[in-house]
Order: sequence, then structure tokens, then C-alpha cells
Amino acid sequence: NAGVTQTPKFRILKIGQSMTLQCAQDMNHNYMYWYRQDPGMGLKLIYYSVGAGITDKGEVPNGYNVSRSTTEDFPLRLELAAPSQTSVYFCASSSWTGGMNTEAFFGQGTRLTVV
Amino acid sequence: AQTVTQSQPEMSVQEAETVTLSCTYDTSESDYYLFWYKQPPSRQMILVIRQEAYKQQNATENRFSVNFQKAAKSFSLKISDSQLGDAAMYFCAYRSAQGAQKLVFGQGTRLTINP
Repeated sequence: NAGVTQTPKFRILKIGQSMTLQCAQDMNHNYMYWYRQDPGMGLKLIYYSVGAGITDKGEVPNGYNVSRSTTEDFPLRLELAAPSQTSVYFCASSSWTGGMNTEAFFGQGTRLTVV
Repeated sequence: AQTVTQSQPEMSVQEAETVTLSCTYDTSESDYYLFWYKQPPSRQMILVIRQEAYKQQNATENRFSVNFQKAAKSFSLKISDSQLGDAAMYFCAYRSAQGAQKLVFGQGTRLTINP
């Protein structure tokens, strides 16, 4: 039972480079989320999706893009990496099934450093 | 927009003693959920306890309990018989009962357990 899987776990990028953070869940959850956690701070929502083909901005979307072509996958794309994007990134998923909310399940996080 | 505030950046407690972590929130909604998450050094986000706003009874999970004061918009976490394994960052989080189940996090409280 894998739950939410994020890759990579660690990455160092140079300023201006691009990368994609991968996220996959095997629980058939319709909701998926990307959060970032800056040092000593709580998590802030970057983007979220309520189902395949539907995405929307969260609190801090600038500099990021997402897509949701399948229920399972929700990649986060960083274009033109900047030092301000140095953070820990968490993917999460949840669902509304049978009139009940499931809890949010989180991946292990990706520590990204932009130098 | 909803906000969550944790006014205690750091707390410490002696092993086997009791500690209370504070959380206040702001919302105009009447139906919502509140959560406490634990984040150990491994970065994993672990759900500690959940409270539904429509329930008057405070939630309890073994050594963890909450004091939910809806009118005061206060949601504190009490940890009884503190153990070394309780050392972690603790985050208070809010989620609306409507919409895409997005979580709004507080800034976190770092809990240290002194042996």
C-alpha cells in the first residue's frame, strides 16, 4: 500500500533551471494538492486539483504549473527556478466518498534547494 | 479567507508531564474541521487528532486530547504523559466542510521533551 509517492526526495537546482516534481497516489483519491513549507513555517497551498483535467491556484502559485491528466498523477512544474523557491514540497491527496471526507494523506516531501 | 495562528513557536516539557499547545483560527463559516498534525524530523506529516465543528464533545486519541472552544475560535492540543517520541513540530490546521478540502496551516510549534 504505497499511498502518496513523491520523487525525487532531494534536489539541487541552479537559478534559471526547470524541473518537475512527481506525485502519484494509488488510493483513487479525486483531490490532490501541492504545498510548500518554508523553514520554520507552516505549509502553504500552491495548486490543487479536484479531479482529472481540473486544476486551480492556491495561495502561492507564482512560478509553478501543474497538470492532472490522470486520477493518479499530479506533477508540479517549476520554470526558471529562483532562490525564493527553496523549500520543502509536499504532495497530498484526499477524497469525498459515500458522504464522508477522508483524511489528507501526505507524501514524504521533496527538499529543493535553488542556488 | 481563513487563517490559523499558533502563538507559541517553541514549547518544552519534562518527560511524563502534560503540555498544552495553543491554536486560534478565524473563519466566517459554521461547518468545518480542525486538525493537529505532527511532523517529526523525518518530515512525514502525521495526523494526530481531528475535530468536527458540529460536535460539541472534544476529540480524544489516547494521550492526546483537544479543547475546542467554537465561540472563541480556539483549538488547543493537550499531550498527557509526554514521551520522548512526542518531540516534533506540531501544526494546527483548518479545513472547510465545503469545497475542495484545502487545508490552512498555522506556523507550527516546536515541542521539545526533556528527559
